[in-house]
Amino acid sequence: DAKTTQPTSMDCAEGRAANLPCNHSTISGNEYVYWYRQIHSQGPQYIIHGLKNNETNEMASLIITEDRKSSTLILPHATLRDTAVYYCIAYTGKLIFGQGTTLQVKP
Amino acid sequence: GAVVSQHPSWVICKSGTSVKIECRSLDFQATTMFWYRQFPKQSLMLMATSNEGSKATYEQGVEKDKFLINHASLTLSTLTVTSAHPEDSSFYICSARDGSGRGAHIQYFGAGTRLSVL
Repeated sequence: DAKTTQPTSMDCAEGRAANLPCNHSTISGNEYVYWYRQIHSQGPQYIIHGLKNNETNEMASLIITEDRKSSTLILPHATLRDTAVYYCIAYTGKLIFGQGTTLQVKP
Repeated sequence: GAVVSQHPSWVICKSGTSVKIECRSLDFQATTMFWYRQFPKQSLMLMATSNEGSKATYEQGVEKDKFLINHASLTLSTLTVTSAHPEDSSFYICSARDGSGRGAHIQYFGAGTRLSVL
């Protein structure tokens, strides 16, 4: 499974877009990029996933570079409830969690 | 999104006793379910993968005789922590994979079970 690298922590102002980067330079052609988040003391929540094309849903947008070596999760209008640990995972049948990015949304 | 129910949410038990945790997919059929463990301030660690009607596959270092997994139906998997000891105290989280349609391969998670062994 490809390893992903994410910044340990990030801050974002409430109402602004939160852009969370992820590097996955060793990702293989059939590995999807999945994003989950975990709010304190809860189970992880699925956000979005993609293979090659950019994706958008009601929660977020996922931008994947053409060479697929990195991606960015975009929360368009961050709220205080978006404060969580965000995990970027290269998926080949089971989710292996790294350390993720702790996003702190501030008023 | 799909709903995964995990029960109980919190359990305290005496050392040496066994504890069973249930994981149910409420609105979809899950041919594959997963069990994770999370210690404070750490990430989730995959313990095992279970497929309906077959034996679970355990990750390296996870004792299969201590963590018994049963996946008897497409909507229910159970994790039994046998002869629990204080070091087994942790946050246990299950997930179920929706194998149908656009949601294929998405894993949905339960809310977790906090186990405290005295």
